[in-house]
Amino acid sequence: SAVISQKPSRDICQRGTSLTIQCQVDSQVTMMFWYRQQPGQSLTLIATANQGSEATYESGFVIDKFPISRPNLTFSTLTVSNMSPEDSSIYLCSARGNTGELFFGEGSRLTVL
Amino acid sequence: GENVEQHPSTLSVQEGDSAVIKCTYSDSASNYFPWYKQELGKGPQLIIDIRSNVGEKKDQRIAVTLNKTAKHFSLHITETQPEDSAVYFCAASRMDSSYKLIFGSGTRLLVRP
Repeated sequence: SAVISQKPSRDICQRGTSLTIQCQVDSQVTMMFWYRQQPGQSLTLIATANQGSEATYESGFVIDKFPISRPNLTFSTLTVSNMSPEDSSIYLCSARGNTGELFFGEGSRLTVL
Repeated sequence: GENVEQHPSTLSVQEGDSAVIKCTYSDSASNYFPWYKQELGKGPQLIIDIRSNVGEKKDQRIAVTLNKTAKHFSLHITETQPEDSAVYFCAASRMDSSYKLIFGSGTRLLVRP
Protein backbone atom coordinates (compact mmCIF):
# COMPACT_ATOMS: atom_id res chain seq x y z
CA SER A 1 0.00 0.00 0.00
CA ALA A 2 1.03 3.63 -0.47
CA VAL A 3 1.45 6.01 2.44
CA ILE A 4 0.16 9.47 1.63
CA SER A 5 1.04 12.56 3.62
CA GLN A 6 -0.87 15.80 3.30
CA LYS A 7 -0.25 19.20 4.73
CA PRO A 8 -1.65 21.25 6.20
CA SER A 9 -3.92 18.86 8.08
CA ARG A 10 -6.24 21.75 8.88
CA ASP A 11 -6.40 25.49 8.43
CA ILE A 12 -8.67 28.43 8.99
CA CYS A 13 -8.61 30.88 6.12
CA GLN A 14 -10.04 34.26 5.35
CA ARG A 15 -12.44 34.86 2.51
CA GLY A 16 -10.70 35.87 -0.70
CA THR A 17 -7.38 34.24 0.09
CA SER A 18 -5.85 31.14 -1.50
CA LEU A 19 -4.32 28.06 0.11
CA THR A 20 -2.08 25.38 -1.34
CA ILE A 21 -2.29 21.82 -0.07
CA GLN A 22 0.68 19.54 -0.54
CA CYS A 23 0.56 15.78 -1.03
CA GLN A 24 3.53 13.43 -0.83
CA VAL A 25 3.40 9.70 -1.61
CA ASP A 26 6.05 7.34 -0.27
CA SER A 27 6.42 5.45 -3.56
CA GLN A 28 6.10 6.14 -7.24
CA VAL A 29 2.51 5.89 -8.39
CA THR A 30 0.97 6.17 -11.81
CA MET A 31 -2.18 8.06 -10.89
CA MET A 32 -2.98 10.71 -8.32
CA PHE A 33 -6.34 12.30 -7.67
CA TRP A 34 -7.85 15.08 -5.60
CA TYR A 35 -11.24 14.69 -3.94
CA ARG A 36 -13.44 17.07 -1.97
CA GLN A 37 -15.62 15.96 0.92
CA GLN A 38 -18.08 18.58 2.12
CA PRO A 39 -19.28 18.30 5.71
CA GLY A 40 -21.26 15.10 6.23
CA GLN A 41 -21.12 14.24 2.54
CA SER A 42 -19.48 11.73 0.25
CA LEU A 43 -16.30 12.14 -1.76
CA THR A 44 -16.45 14.08 -5.02
CA LEU A 45 -13.63 13.82 -7.56
CA ILE A 46 -12.12 17.20 -8.37
CA ALA A 47 -9.46 16.18 -10.86
CA THR A 48 -6.82 13.70 -11.94
CA ALA A 49 -3.34 15.10 -11.36
CA ASN A 50 -1.24 14.31 -14.44
CA GLN A 51 2.52 14.29 -14.18
CA GLY A 52 4.10 17.09 -16.16
CA SER A 53 0.89 18.24 -17.80
CA GLU A 54 -2.39 19.93 -16.98
CA ALA A 55 -4.77 18.16 -14.66
CA THR A 56 -7.98 16.61 -15.94
CA TYR A 57 -10.93 18.26 -14.21
CA GLU A 58 -14.35 16.83 -13.53
CA SER A 59 -17.55 18.63 -14.35
CA GLY A 60 -18.11 21.53 -12.01
CA PHE A 61 -14.43 22.10 -11.24
CA VAL A 62 -12.16 24.50 -13.15
CA ILE A 63 -8.46 25.14 -13.24
CA ASP A 64 -8.76 28.78 -12.25
CA LYS A 65 -10.42 27.83 -8.98
CA PHE A 66 -8.47 24.63 -8.25
CA PRO A 67 -5.05 24.78 -9.93
CA ILE A 68 -3.17 21.50 -9.56
CA SER A 69 0.47 20.67 -10.08
CA ARG A 70 2.24 17.33 -10.27
CA PRO A 71 5.92 17.85 -11.01
CA ASN A 72 6.91 14.22 -10.41
CA LEU A 73 5.48 10.77 -9.66
CA THR A 74 5.28 11.22 -5.89
CA PHE A 75 4.20 14.83 -5.28
CA SER A 76 1.18 16.98 -6.08
CA THR A 77 -0.37 20.23 -4.92
CA LEU A 78 -3.91 21.55 -4.97
CA THR A 79 -4.61 25.25 -4.58
CA VAL A 80 -8.01 26.49 -3.52
CA SER A 81 -8.18 30.01 -4.94
CA ASN A 82 -10.16 33.06 -3.88
CA MET A 83 -11.85 31.09 -1.13
CA SER A 84 -15.39 31.59 0.07
CA PRO A 85 -17.21 29.90 2.99
CA GLU A 86 -18.66 27.40 0.48
CA ASP A 87 -15.12 26.05 0.00
CA SER A 88 -15.03 24.85 3.60
CA SER A 89 -14.44 21.14 3.13
CA ILE A 90 -12.03 18.30 3.55
CA TYR A 91 -9.68 18.01 0.57
CA LEU A 92 -8.26 14.53 0.07
CA CYS A 93 -5.28 13.44 -1.95
CA SER A 94 -5.28 9.89 -3.27
CA ALA A 95 -2.93 7.64 -5.21
CA ARG A 96 -3.44 4.47 -7.18
CA GLY A 97 -1.29 1.53 -6.18
CA ASN A 98 0.36 -0.94 -8.56
CA THR A 99 -2.49 -3.43 -8.31
CA GLY A 100 -5.22 -0.85 -8.78
CA GLU A 101 -6.24 0.05 -5.25
CA LEU A 102 -6.77 3.70 -4.38
CA PHE A 103 -5.27 4.96 -1.14
CA PHE A 104 -6.08 8.20 0.62
CA GLY A 105 -4.29 10.67 2.80
CA GLU A 106 -5.81 11.87 6.06
CA GLY A 107 -7.19 14.97 4.39
CA SER A 108 -6.82 18.72 4.78
CA ARG A 109 -9.69 20.31 6.68
CA LEU A 110 -10.29 23.87 5.53
CA THR A 111 -12.57 26.35 7.23
CA VAL A 112 -13.17 29.62 5.40
CA LEU A 113 -14.46 32.54 7.43
CA GLY B 1 -20.57 8.66 -16.53
CA GLU B 2 -20.74 6.32 -13.59
CA ASN B 3 -23.35 6.82 -10.87
CA VAL B 4 -23.27 4.86 -7.60
CA GLU B 5 -26.21 4.66 -5.21
CA GLN B 6 -25.81 3.38 -1.66
CA HIS B 7 -28.34 2.25 0.96
CA PRO B 8 -29.11 2.63 3.78
CA SER B 9 -27.79 6.04 4.77
CA THR B 10 -27.74 5.02 8.44
CA LEU B 11 -27.70 1.61 10.06
CA SER B 12 -27.86 0.76 13.75
CA VAL B 13 -27.20 -2.80 14.92
CA GLN B 14 -26.63 -4.57 18.20
CA GLU B 15 -23.12 -5.78 18.89
CA GLY B 16 -22.73 -9.28 17.52
CA ASP B 17 -25.37 -8.87 14.84
CA SER B 18 -24.64 -8.65 11.11
CA ALA B 19 -24.73 -5.51 8.99
CA VAL B 20 -25.38 -5.31 5.26
CA ILE B 21 -24.83 -2.28 3.04
CA LYS B 22 -25.93 -2.30 -0.58
CA CYS B 23 -24.80 -0.38 -3.66
CA THR B 24 -25.85 -0.22 -7.29
CA TYR B 25 -23.89 1.23 -10.19
CA SER B 26 -24.82 2.41 -13.66
CA ASP B 27 -21.78 1.84 -15.90
CA SER B 28 -21.79 -1.75 -17.11
CA ALA B 29 -18.08 -1.39 -17.98
CA SER B 30 -17.12 -0.85 -14.33
CA ASN B 31 -15.13 -3.81 -13.06
CA TYR B 32 -13.57 -2.68 -9.78
CA PHE B 33 -15.61 -2.22 -6.58
CA PRO B 34 -13.84 -1.20 -3.36
CA TRP B 35 -15.26 -0.44 0.06
CA TYR B 36 -13.87 2.19 2.40
CA LYS B 37 -14.27 2.82 6.12
CA GLN B 38 -13.95 6.38 7.36
CA GLU B 39 -13.62 7.12 11.03
CA LEU B 40 -14.20 10.57 12.44
CA GLY B 41 -11.43 12.96 11.54
CA LYS B 42 -9.60 10.48 9.32
CA GLY B 43 -9.23 9.74 5.65
CA PRO B 44 -11.03 6.80 4.02
CA GLN B 45 -9.38 3.43 4.57
CA LEU B 46 -9.69 0.64 2.01
CA ILE B 47 -11.12 -2.43 3.78
CA ILE B 48 -11.95 -4.80 0.93
CA ASP B 49 -12.45 -4.76 -2.81
CA ILE B 50 -13.82 -7.05 -5.49
CA ARG B 51 -13.21 -7.29 -9.21
CA SER B 52 -15.69 -8.41 -11.81
CA ASN B 53 -14.13 -11.82 -12.35
CA VAL B 54 -15.35 -13.02 -8.93
CA GLY B 55 -18.75 -13.04 -7.25
CA GLU B 56 -17.70 -13.03 -3.60
CA LYS B 57 -14.67 -12.24 -1.50
CA LYS B 58 -14.14 -12.68 2.24
CA ASP B 59 -11.66 -11.29 4.73
CA GLN B 60 -12.34 -12.46 8.28
CA ARG B 61 -15.62 -10.81 9.37
CA ILE B 62 -16.02 -8.84 6.17
CA ALA B 63 -17.36 -10.09 2.85
CA VAL B 64 -18.36 -8.46 -0.40
CA THR B 65 -20.66 -9.89 -3.06
CA LEU B 66 -21.06 -8.77 -6.65
CA ASN B 67 -23.90 -9.35 -9.10
CA LYS B 68 -22.76 -7.95 -12.46
CA THR B 69 -26.02 -8.76 -14.19
CA ALA B 70 -27.98 -6.65 -11.72
CA LYS B 71 -25.11 -4.12 -11.33
CA HIS B 72 -25.30 -4.55 -7.60
CA PHE B 73 -22.72 -5.19 -4.87
CA SER B 74 -22.95 -5.48 -1.10
CA LEU B 75 -20.80 -5.34 2.01
CA HIS B 76 -21.49 -7.84 4.78
CA ILE B 77 -20.03 -7.44 8.27
CA THR B 78 -20.62 -10.33 10.67
CA GLU B 79 -20.25 -10.38 14.46
CA THR B 80 -20.18 -6.60 14.57
CA GLN B 81 -18.15 -4.85 17.25
CA PRO B 82 -18.33 -1.26 18.55
CA GLU B 83 -15.11 -0.44 16.72
CA ASP B 84 -16.91 -1.18 13.44
CA SER B 85 -18.88 2.04 14.01
CA ALA B 86 -17.89 4.42 11.20
CA VAL B 87 -19.05 5.70 7.82
CA TYR B 88 -18.71 3.18 5.00
CA PHE B 89 -18.45 4.12 1.33
CA CYS B 90 -18.76 1.94 -1.73
CA ALA B 91 -17.20 2.93 -5.04
CA ALA B 92 -16.93 1.78 -8.62
CA SER B 93 -14.49 2.24 -11.49
CA ARG B 94 -13.18 0.80 -14.70
CA MET B 95 -9.71 -0.67 -14.35
CA ASP B 96 -8.33 0.87 -17.53
CA SER B 97 -6.96 4.20 -18.69
CA SER B 98 -10.24 5.85 -17.75
CA TYR B 99 -9.84 4.76 -14.11
CA LYS B 100 -11.54 7.04 -11.64
CA LEU B 101 -13.38 5.99 -8.51
CA ILE B 102 -16.93 7.26 -8.12
CA PHE B 103 -18.29 6.99 -4.60
CA GLY B 104 -21.67 6.19 -3.13
CA SER B 105 -23.27 8.54 -0.64
CA GLY B 106 -22.08 6.64 2.42
CA THR B 107 -23.64 4.63 5.27
CA ARG B 108 -23.22 5.63 8.88
CA LEU B 109 -22.99 2.39 10.87
CA LEU B 110 -23.56 2.44 14.61
CA VAL B 111 -22.87 -0.72 16.59
CA ARG B 112 -24.58 -0.57 19.98
CA PRO B 113 -22.72 -2.31 22.82
